[in-house]
Amino acid sequence: DQQVKQNSPSLSVQEGRISILNCDYTNSMFDYFLWYKKYPAEGPTFLISISSIKDKNEDGRFTVFLNKSAKHLSLHIVPSQPGDSAVYFCAASATGGGNKLTFGTGTQLKVEL
Amino acid sequence: DGGITQSPKYLFRKEGQNVTLSCEQNLNHDAMYWYRQDPGQGLRLIYYSQIVNDFQKGDIAEGYSVSREKKESFPLTVTSAQKNPTAFYLCASTLGGDEQFFGPGTRLTVL
Repeated sequence: DQQVKQNSPSLSVQEGRISILNCDYTNSMFDYFLWYKKYPAEGPTFLISISSIKDKNEDGRFTVFLNKSAKHLSLHIVPSQPGDSAVYFCAASATGGGNKLTFGTGTQLKVEL
Repeated sequence: DGGITQSPKYLFRKEGQNVTLSCEQNLNHDAMYWYRQDPGQGLRLIYYSQIVNDFQKGDIAEGYSVSREKKESFPLTVTSAQKNPTAFYLCASTLGGDEQFFGPGTRLTVL
């Protein structure tokens, strides 16, 4: 049972345009959400997070939006740069869950020149 | 430099052999985690430990074992009971919050 879903395995965007990566979850106990970026053969690196008490969090070119009623979150990257090409994982955790993260299957973002 | 180290980066194992993957951190983090990544799949939790001498099974613990004798170290043993061990293994740690810091990973291939 996939509790965190990223339905788009891949996304291609032109340099300078906006990249929107989507994530859906089914477990209503999740109250903290994170996005990680991963290059091949490397460990994921933390990008940005959002608590369920907020609906938006911004950090430079990266903004995460949370729609709790729809159990949906999205990561916006603007403007997209070639160095943003990587796999992006959405992850979620629940208070009292031992800080365990449940990951989505990832979206491969390719930013083209 | 503070961080998480995993060794070796590449590991080859013959079928039927046990193998141990190393994970060391000098971040003074309390909690440590082991994940497995397969092509087209997300990271799946194998085992985690929130304090020394204590650990819990994750979602796919069968065929794996761990120990947590020191705060800095959380080795993972892939036993011969693991039916499909070829994968990319990632270790992570956290001070207690949700943001986990990951090591560079070990790619295990069973020959």
